[in-house]
Amino acid sequence: GAGVSQSPSNKVTEKGKDVELRCDPISGHTALYWYRQRLGQGLEFLIYFQGNSAPDKSGLPSDRFSAERTGESVSTLTIQRTQQEDSAVYLCASNLYRGTGELFFGEGSRLTVL
Amino acid sequence: EDQVTQSPEALRLQEGESSSLNCSYTVSGLRGLFWYRQDPGKGPEFLFTLYSAGEEKEKERLKATLTKKESFLHITAPKPEDSATYLCALMGTSGSRLTFGEGTQLTVNP
Repeated sequence: GAGVSQSPSNKVTEKGKDVELRCDPISGHTALYWYRQRLGQGLEFLIYFQGNSAPDKSGLPSDRFSAERTGESVSTLTIQRTQQEDSAVYLCASNLYRGTGELFFGEGSRLTVL
Repeated sequence: EDQVTQSPEALRLQEGESSSLNCSYTVSGLRGLFWYRQDPGKGPEFLFTLYSAGEEKEKERLKATLTKKESFLHITAPKPEDSATYLCALMGTSGSRLTFGEGTQLTVNP
């Protein structure tokens, strides 16, 4: 597709369940980012992938959060044993070159934990 | 630690009333300062990159400027369609992540 695609767009789950969020970056983009945005707040960095290099996981808030990326394509963010404070919009972004700040964002996956 | 602080949190303008949004930052080494626009329910959309103090970029009614401690987003004669949240972000020389501020929510009334 032409842009970054995220799914699901909306996810409601019960506390304690696991969720998977998917991101399809723009074709050819080597860098992929995950950010979290709580209601009315700015973007919080979670994780960054660049090609085959080891990802920068320094923003993951706890060991319940993990992410994978297959080569330079799809990425999955997994949240295990969800808590109410995990409720947020999870945004994925990609860009062509490492170290440039012109990111192309998807529309996000809105997660609500009841 | 990289930090970005935006002010004001919210700004209401009348159509045609020019103003500026502020982004103060601290970083050990600046690779770039970025402005994004975010509409409700959407992901942020890239507007500008500024690399060094004194640099300016313009796009339609928007102009971004940069000093060693701050960046300003000037909005000249705004229109209602300029209503959005404007986010400032920086990338330091120590890594490839963007650190975002909490944004300024701009409302332009007709």
